Amino acid sequence: EIVMTQSPATLSVSPGERATLSCRASQSIGSNLAWYQQKPGQAPRLLIYGASTRATGIPATFSGSGSGTQFTLTISSLQSEDFAFYFCQQYDHWRTFGQGTKLEIK
Amino acid sequence: QVQLVQSGAEMKKPGASVKLSCKASGYTFSDFYIHCVRQAPGQGLEWMGWINPKSGGTKYAEKFQGRVTMTRDTSISTVYMELSSLRSDDTAMYFCARERVAAADDDAFDIWGQGTVVTVSS
Repeated sequence: EIVMTQSPATLSVSPGERATLSCRASQSIGSNLAWYQQKPGQAPRLLIYGASTRATGIPATFSGSGSGTQFTLTISSLQSEDFAFYFCQQYDHWRTFGQGTKLEIK
Repeated sequence: QVQLVQSGAEMKKPGASVKLSCKASGYTFSDFYIHCVRQAPGQGLEWMGWINPKSGGTKYAEKFQGRVTMTRDTSISTVYMELSSLRSDDTAMYFCARERVAAADDDAFDIWGQGTVVTVSS
């Protein structure tokens, strides 16, 4: 099983600043990585697929990068609605998710 | 609009089975694989398996092999997920989710159901 490790577990950032979230795969997954946002009581929402392609309707403040085993989600100029949980998912071999990063207001 | 609507909350005793439904609308049901993902309280996401609505073919995560069964009824665009031999650690929110790309089983999930809470308790 491919293990996905996200860091940090919790990230405290002030509104208007930039947030950088990391995701590492236990083996190479090429660009077969997605990022999701989840708010309490809601289903996840697809943000990024193919490591760097924004899903439909996702603002340009969200960007993804990386390939192989190291990936990054960057949120520029944080808005109040961006404070949530973020999960990465690999779909190179079956499916596994990272344990998540909680993005909280500093 | 494209959506997945899941059945209501369930409360079961240990050892019982539960069968959840996920009704698709707004797109051609048979074109997109449907996945099941669960989330225990305060925990991360765990992939359980998928079904190909066109063929009925399935693939399950090793952890759930022998306990999970996914089926579909194409006449009503609905996928079912049955989990047997329930334990207290099966208490979770269960989501269905659609594969982003038609006829593929190797992409992200672009549409999610609202989730069904399953509580297992004696």
